[in-house]
Amino acid sequence: GNSVTQMEGPVTLSEEAFLTINCTYTATGYPSLFWYVQYPGEGLQLLLKATKADDKGSNKGFEATYRKETTSFHLEKGSVQVSDSAVYFCALSDLGYSTLTFGKGTMLLVSP
Amino acid sequence: GAGVSQSPRYKVAKRGQDVALRCDPISGHVSLFWYQQALGQGPEFLTYFQNEAQLDKSGLPSDRFFAERPEGSVSTLKIQRTQQEDSAVYLCASSLDGESYEQYFGPGTRLTVT
Repeated sequence: GNSVTQMEGPVTLSEEAFLTINCTYTATGYPSLFWYVQYPGEGLQLLLKATKADDKGSNKGFEATYRKETTSFHLEKGSVQVSDSAVYFCALSDLGYSTLTFGKGTMLLVSP
Repeated sequence: GAGVSQSPRYKVAKRGQDVALRCDPISGHVSLFWYQQALGQGPEFLTYFQNEAQLDKSGLPSDRFFAERPEGSVSTLKIQRTQQEDSAVYLCASSLDGESYEQYFGPGTRLTVT
């Protein structure tokens, strides 16, 4: 079956630091890959996505590249802000069927 | 426009009680999903509707869980004879169609079974 593994948190950074949150996946087909973000007190929001190998998804300064050879989709941001503090979920969806399989989430805490 | 809404936002039930959780998807969205999110975990798929048809209910953990979407818009997730292990946040998501991949999530209903 499908599964997603992401690094455990919390990840604690100072403002303007570089962020990497690792995500690897197992899937039987050729999935689409996603990062969702959950800000405190809010619902899950799609942050970025990539639908095929070597695609790079980007949004709000965050980036992730779909690496089929390493089955990875690591999230990066060059300079984090306090407002980026949230829980980040890596997820996948099998092509043609959009039910999402999520990782456990990684909490990011950014201090001024 | 309005996003996905869920009610109630919080529900406390005594063990053995029945509960009903409501989801109002974005107007015009064909697909609707229910997920269960335990504390400290990622959401886990429960069931999927395309219009009024329940196409996948493989994630429902037991026959105490039942979902419906009779007119293809509002959906209700019902849990009968609640147990403590049912305590979780129940998330509803909708998408324009099954192939569009972008799901829009509601704020969730936090169910606590005492």
